[in-house]
Amino acid sequence: GQQVMQIPQYQHVQEGEDFTTYCNSSTTLSNIQWYKQRPGGHPVFLIQLVKSGEVKKQKRLTFQFGEAKKNSSLHITATQTTDVGTYFCADTGGFKTIFGAGTRLFVKA
Amino acid sequence: GAGVSQTPSNKVTEKGKYVELRCDPISGHTALYWYRQSLGQGPEFLIYFQGTGAADDSGLPNDRFFAVRPEGSVSTLKIQRTERGDSAVYLCASSLVASSPPYNEQFFGPGTRLTVL
Repeated sequence: GQQVMQIPQYQHVQEGEDFTTYCNSSTTLSNIQWYKQRPGGHPVFLIQLVKSGEVKKQKRLTFQFGEAKKNSSLHITATQTTDVGTYFCADTGGFKTIFGAGTRLFVKA
Repeated sequence: GAGVSQTPSNKVTEKGKYVELRCDPISGHTALYWYRQSLGQGPEFLIYFQGTGAADDSGLPNDRFFAVRPEGSVSTLKIQRTERGDSAVYLCASSLVASSPPYNEQFFGPGTRLTVL
């Protein structure tokens, strides 16, 4: 069935370092949503990418959608301790939403 | 305004019992989703409602799982003959059906943690 793979599974960074998580699919993605889940919390919507090659920025976060719409990435510049949590990408073609397994980010002060 | 609410927040039951999990979506959101999330995993799609009807129930693992949304607002996820493998956090989300991006930005509830002993 349809799968969305995320790497890495987890990453430890020192505060101030950059962080990137990658989302890949063997099939063309309709559009990609990114969510953040804090420890003990629920997923919170960050952004949606729709167009091939699209790049969007939210302060220190940069989201990219691949030209072939088979991959996406989230890059955080100069991580802060408030960035800790798990970042999920999700393929939202139609209404069935397929989430990746997430990348858990640990930030050491 | 109020977000998505789910009750109960925690449910402990015994193997073989029946459970009902409730979701109150954001007022005016016509789309409603149920997910199951196990530790260290992403949310696993179960079912999607548009209004009162289940537009996609392909994620329900078997016929022990059933969900309803009779008036197009509150939804109940029902699990019969629970098994230990059903233990997980059950998340509900709601969204508007938008005609322009972001399509279907989902607002999640806090979840119900189900433990089957």
